[in-house]
Amino acid sequence: GAVVSQHPSWVICKSGTSVKIECRSLDFQATTMFWYRQFPKQSLMLMATSNEGSKATYEQGVEKDKFLINHASLTLSTLTVTSAHPEDSSFYICSAHKAGSPYEQYFGPGTRLTVT
Amino acid sequence: AQTVTQSQPEMSVQEAETVTLSCTYDTSESDYYLFWYKQPPSRQMILVIRQEAYKQQNATENRFSVNFQKAAKSFSLKISDSQLGDAAMYFCAYRSALTHGGSQGNLIFGKGTKLSVKP
Repeated sequence: GAVVSQHPSWVICKSGTSVKIECRSLDFQATTMFWYRQFPKQSLMLMATSNEGSKATYEQGVEKDKFLINHASLTLSTLTVTSAHPEDSSFYICSAHKAGSPYEQYFGPGTRLTVT
Repeated sequence: AQTVTQSQPEMSVQEAETVTLSCTYDTSESDYYLFWYKQPPSRQMILVIRQEAYKQQNATENRFSVNFQKAAKSFSLKISDSQLGDAAMYFCAYRSALTHGGSQGNLIFGKGTKLSVKP
């Protein structure tokens, strides 16, 4: 099967610091990865789309200087939350589209970020 | 822009019974994919079932089936013989079949339906 991992699974950081979240496709190459944010009891909201080797495309309202996305290889994308504030506390989920597959995306298990 | 609407915030079903979750969507595209995802308390998103818009036949996966009405832009999920493990949030999602520079598009999610299963 297609497996996507995220690291860390949860993180607590202090306000003003930066935190990096990794998303890896373990057994397939992912040409495109997506980053979602999910608040409690709400749906997934797309933050950005990242393609390997090119700049990420951010959704309207998402600050690209605050949420830095790097897709350096076909198996790794990273999301860095810079100068984190308590309102950035959320559940962040990545998904990866398998190269050559027209269908579903494969989701990571998510990362819970708490900013104190 | 495409939208997905799930009008039932919460649903409840008795174990072994059947329940139907509703989903409608809006799009001007003719070729797209529709999905139902399950999100249990672990919050891992799990694909339940997929439907290609060009297929008239409704998709089925064991106890899960859909009623896809393209003209009505409706995509409901039926869960038969409900089990305690079916309790979760269920999200309906849309994805365009169009590619962008060779890359697939993102999923557009509804707000979700919380399904409870009573023993």
